[in-house]
Amino acid sequence: SQQGEEDPQALSIQEGENATMNCSYKTSINNLQWYRQNSGRGLVHLILIRSNEREKHSGRLRVTLDTSKKSSSLLITASRAADTASYFCATGMDSNYQLIWGAGTKLIIKP
Amino acid sequence: DTAVSQTPKYLVTQMGNDKSIKCEQNLGHDTMYWYKQDSKKFLKIMFSYNNKELIINETVPNRFSPKSPDKAHLNLHINSLELGDSAVYFCASSQMEGGTEAFFGQGTRLTVV
Repeated sequence: SQQGEEDPQALSIQEGENATMNCSYKTSINNLQWYRQNSGRGLVHLILIRSNEREKHSGRLRVTLDTSKKSSSLLITASRAADTASYFCATGMDSNYQLIWGAGTKLIIKP
Repeated sequence: DTAVSQTPKYLVTQMGNDKSIKCEQNLGHDTMYWYKQDSKKFLKIMFSYNNKELIINETVPNRFSPKSPDKAHLNLHINSLELGDSAVYFCASSQMEGGTEAFFGQGTRLTVV
């Protein structure tokens, strides 16, 4: 079943600009995760934010979580051509054996 | 060194055939998954195993049968392949259930002709 919905579905920006992607979900969660998928490759975990956290940073990545609005955002600062990929959010419950995935945002960084 | 490896990477086969995709993880994780990613990139869970036991079995045709000989392996066998089975199949593992990150294999692109 799909819960997360990312928007926009596609985003094209110039190298060096910041990229922001959003994710909305419907049910209660313990954590929200962001993954990157390069073309033809598997998904790679980027960052996990727990439901009691509001913001988390990892390098050029900044994730926010608003549980009252059931939404999260992923900000990539100073984008690079290598950031071109699809980005997925997934929500998890500690007691549940699956992550619920969104449809992804396709990010294109133009050199 | 590969944490989650699945084989083959590409699989082209005719309708009606039976095929298997193998998956192995060397991370010591208890939970393994099979996902199907369609042409629109939507990721759908098919099965989840925890310590060799089936935990999740989403609405998947019974032509798909997972087999977990031990907790490091989760293979996917598909009988009587259909055109609609064409997709990329991903194996993944995690330390425990939905509370931790998942590690993905590189995917198997299945094309049924």
